[in-house]
Amino acid sequence: GENVEQHPSTLSVQEGDSAVIKCTYSDSASNYFPWYKQELGKRPQLIIDIRSNVGEKKDQRIAVTLNKTAKHFSLHITETQPEDSAVYFCAARNYGQNFVFGPGTRLSVLP
Amino acid sequence: NAGVTQTPKFQVLKTGQSMTLQCAQDMNHEYMSWYRQDPGMGLRLIHYSVGAGITDQGEVPNGYNVSRSTTEDFPLRLLSAAPSQTSVYFCASGDLAEAFFGQGTRLTVV
Repeated sequence: GENVEQHPSTLSVQEGDSAVIKCTYSDSASNYFPWYKQELGKRPQLIIDIRSNVGEKKDQRIAVTLNKTAKHFSLHITETQPEDSAVYFCAARNYGQNFVFGPGTRLSVLP
Repeated sequence: NAGVTQTPKFQVLKTGQSMTLQCAQDMNHEYMSWYRQDPGMGLRLIHYSVGAGITDQGEVPNGYNVSRSTTEDFPLRLLSAAPSQTSVYFCASGDLAEAFFGQGTRLTVV
């Protein structure tokens, strides 16, 4: 079955700097890769996703890149702000199948 | 449109007690699932359902039962609670892509 690894497990950046979180997956059939943000005590919420026929997607300060050959995808957050502090989860899915989540990255943005 | 509603938000059980976590969605999604979240371990799939009358096991199903009699509801039953089941539980429903999560249940088994 699918296995998703995520690095780093914790990440601290200064406000205004960029943050990058990387994930790798094992199942070449996976074709949908979402990123979820979970603030303390709240539910995970989708912030951006990418499908396997796209190499990069941007939404304001966040972007996701996908390398299907290498089976890895990354989340990039630019100009980080304190409200970006949260746990971020990557996931991989083959349409109609279950999500497999990475273990999460705790991002702290220091003022 | 409430999305995914989970109850209760907090629960304390004694070892050996049973209980049901409720999950309901109003988005007409066929796919529903239950996850548990433990520190450093991400979200692990307990059980899932691809439609009314159909359920299947996920990664960590032992000690839990589910049923899906309607599209809207997907309750999770703890048969005989154990301290190892202390966790935060999330219900999720989804279409072919995005998963929508409930607000979570923090369960403590003493």
